Amino acid sequence: AQSVTQPDIHITVSEGASLELRCNYSYGATPYLFWYVQSPGQGLQLLLKYFSGDTLVQGIKGFEAEFKRSQSSFNLRKPSVHWSDAAEYFCAVSLDAGGTSYGKLTFGQGTILTVHP
Amino acid sequence: DTEVTQTPKHLVMGMTNKKSLKCEQHMGHRAMYWYKQKAKKPPELMFVYSYEKLSINESVPSRFSPECPNSSLLNLHLHALQPEDSALYLCASSQELAVGNEQYFGPGTRLTVT
Repeated sequence: AQSVTQPDIHITVSEGASLELRCNYSYGATPYLFWYVQSPGQGLQLLLKYFSGDTLVQGIKGFEAEFKRSQSSFNLRKPSVHWSDAAEYFCAVSLDAGGTSYGKLTFGQGTILTVHP
Repeated sequence: DTEVTQTPKHLVMGMTNKKSLKCEQHMGHRAMYWYKQKAKKPPELMFVYSYEKLSINESVPSRFSPECPNSSLLNLHLHALQPEDSALYLCASSQELAVGNEQYFGPGTRLTVT
């Protein structure tokens, strides 16, 4: 079965520092990959997605992610973190479920980002 | 416009009450979803509608009853809930029910069952 692992439950960075959030997936083929962000008590906002092509994907709010097939990873990065980036981040994969065309979103457990001033 | 709206924002209900959650999107999306999210956990899929027909029920208890009156609206009717049903309920929509379609989420309804 497909799975998504976010190894870091909680990450703390200083404002202005660089950020990398890790995501690994388990599946034989290349999945559709997403990163979502959730502020406390809010819904999820799509940051970026990868389907195919260029392995470095640009998203909103200055985020980017790199797909590495050899490592089954899709890590999220930001060169300089702002205090407003404090939130929970979810990596998700969408795969063909059970031979149908339905693409169920499977989420990782999430990484909580704290930003120190 | 990539907005999904949900009402109410907060809901407190007793175990014998009947209430409904409402979700609306005007993006022309033909797939709509209900998720349940407990604190510090990822969202869990409950139901999926495609072209106003229920396509997926992830073995959700019958005290949760979804309804899709038209292509823009999605309701979740609640009856005889348990305290463990307290959670954030998220609605989402996507262009189609297909692999790779990105889902757009609403802000959620925070439900407390007393």
